[in-house]
This record gives sequence, structure tokens and C-alpha cells, in this order.
Amino acid sequence: ELKVEQNPLFLSMQEGKNYTIYCNYSTTSDRLYWYRQDPGKSLESLFVLLSNGAVKQEGRLMASLDTKARLSTLHITAAVHDLSATYFCAVDSRGDAGNMLTFGGGTRLMVKP
Amino acid sequence: DAGVTQSPTHLIKTRGQQVTLRCSPKSGHDTVSWYQQALGQGPQFIFQYYEEEERQRGNFPDRFSGHQFPNYSSELNVNALLLGDSALYLCASSTDRNQPQHFGDGTRLSIL
Repeated sequence: ELKVEQNPLFLSMQEGKNYTIYCNYSTTSDRLYWYRQDPGKSLESLFVLLSNGAVKQEGRLMASLDTKARLSTLHITAAVHDLSATYFCAVDSRGDAGNMLTFGGGTRLMVKP
Repeated sequence: DAGVTQSPTHLIKTRGQQVTLRCSPKSGHDTVSWYQQALGQGPQFIFQYYEEEERQRGNFPDRFSGHQFPNYSSELNVNALLLGDSALYLCASSTDRNQPQHFGDGTRLSIL
């Protein structure tokens, strides 16, 4: 059974600081997604990582995937308050039979002025 | 371009009742997945429909069933509701595995 673990579960940081969220998963997969969820809202897609070594960047966020280590990271550069949200990684399994996302428990990020 | 739409937004039921939730996928998407998200947790996969057939199923009991219509819209049915079924139910649509699934705003189900 695929297990996806994120850490930290909760992160409080000052504006302007850098930090990294980690996502570990237990079985082989070459597809990993990062989503953002604001309180009471649905999930917004941030990044799609489709191969080993993939790196994607958007604004202050950068995501990477190491399929050999079964690890993805979401790096936050010079955090701003607007980045406060819960971030989920999700691993795609089941191969060509159709994608099925297994989510981590989420990292709740609070950026303080 | 309308995204994924779900109805109703909120629903209150009592134990033992049955409920039907509805989802219209994003235009151009043919695959619909359903997820259950308990408070403070990540979404859990319930099942996925493609070409009006259940293609994948997560670890949920048979009380959870679904349907996909020829226009790709989908329903999630839950029978014999339990208190533990209280959650946000999310519908997601997609068209191929190299693209992210697009999520609707969800239906908040409360069981009394």
C-alpha cells in the first residue's frame, strides 16, 4: 500500500525567510503533484512533476522530484503572507490503469509579517 | 470556461439516511474521481469513473457507489450514513495522466 508522508505538518515562519517542505513516498512512482488549499476552499494545482530530476518553479515556490529517493521537496523563497495555506503533495499510482492520487497529510503554512 | 462544479455545497443528514452528490467535470475532461477529505487531513481516493465504468476504487466500503453519465457528469451515492461519513467530498476531473486533476469546491456533508 502506497504511503505518502509530509513534514513538517505545521510550519510557522516569518516573512522573507526560506524553508523547505518534504514529501516522502513508499513505492515507485514517477508522477507527483503539489496542491494548495486555502481554508474552506478546494485544491489548486501548483506543480506537476513527471520524471526523475524534474524541477518546476513559479514565483516564490520551487518543486523538485527525486524518484530514486522517493522524495519531493517544495522550497519557499522569501515567504510572503499570501503564501499562508495548506500544501499537499500527491503521488500518482496504478500506472496505465488510470491515475489514482494518494495524498500526504498536508503541511499547514503560516507566514507572519 | 467553467471548471468542475459540484452540488449541493452543504448537506445535513442523519445516521442511516442515503445521500447523492453531483459533479460536472471541466469542459473537455472525460475522467471523474471522487475524494473524501476529513477535517485536518488530506483527501482520500474513493473511486474513479471513465467511459461510464468504475475504473479504480480506493479502500471504501460498498456503501459508497457511483455513476458516470454519457455527458461525463458523475454522482456519488452513500447509503446507510454513519457519523464518520461527515467530511468534505471533492470531485476532480482530468483528461490524461500528464495533467493535474482539477478539483471542484466540494460538498460539505454533516451527519447528525
